Amino acid sequence: DAKTTQPPSMDCAEGRAANLPCNHSTISGNEYVYWYRQIHSQGPQYIIHGLKNNETNEMASLIITEDRKSSTLILPHATLRDTAVYYCIVRVGGGADGLTFGKGTHLIIQP
Amino acid sequence: NAGVTQTPKFQVLKTGQSMTLQCAQDMNHEYMSWYRQDPGMGLRLIHYSVGAGITDQGEVPNGYNVSRSTTEDFPLRLLSAAPSQTSVYFCASSYRVGGAYEQYFGPGTRLTVT
Repeated sequence: DAKTTQPPSMDCAEGRAANLPCNHSTISGNEYVYWYRQIHSQGPQYIIHGLKNNETNEMASLIITEDRKSSTLILPHATLRDTAVYYCIVRVGGGADGLTFGKGTHLIIQP
Repeated sequence: NAGVTQTPKFQVLKTGQSMTLQCAQDMNHEYMSWYRQDPGMGLRLIHYSVGAGITDQGEVPNGYNVSRSTTEDFPLRLLSAAPSQTSVYFCASSYRVGGAYEQYFGPGTRLTVT
């Protein structure tokens, strides 16, 4: 699985867009980019995934650069409930045989 | 849908005791997994299953057993609890979306072994 690099922490004002970066310069052609988050003491929550194209769902947007070496998760209108640790994971598949959760980015939404 | 449910929420064991952590999902997902998360650390995979009757070891399987007799249930058994097994345990189920998978996690079981 490709290694990912994320900033350890970020702040964002409530109501603004939160943009979380992830570098994955060694990504291979068949590896997906996944984003999960973990709100304090809860189980991780799936957010979104993508392969090459940008993706959007009801929670977030995922922007993947053309060379696929980095990506950005965008929470369009951050709320206090979005305060969590956000994990960027790159791998082939990503099913039952496990996801590798690194240290992620601790996003703090400020009122 | 209840999603992924885990029982109990909290458990305290003495060294050497055994117990079973329960996990159930009502989404008809084929794949299920058990992870542990130690304080300040990421999740580590213990065991996983790709379908009823099929299980395999993850990164840290020692001291744990699993079985998968139905699609819905995937219990994790601690054979002889040790203080090193003090952790938060998360169960997950997943399904395939094209070539990718979406995993859904339960709320966790917080286990303390004294």
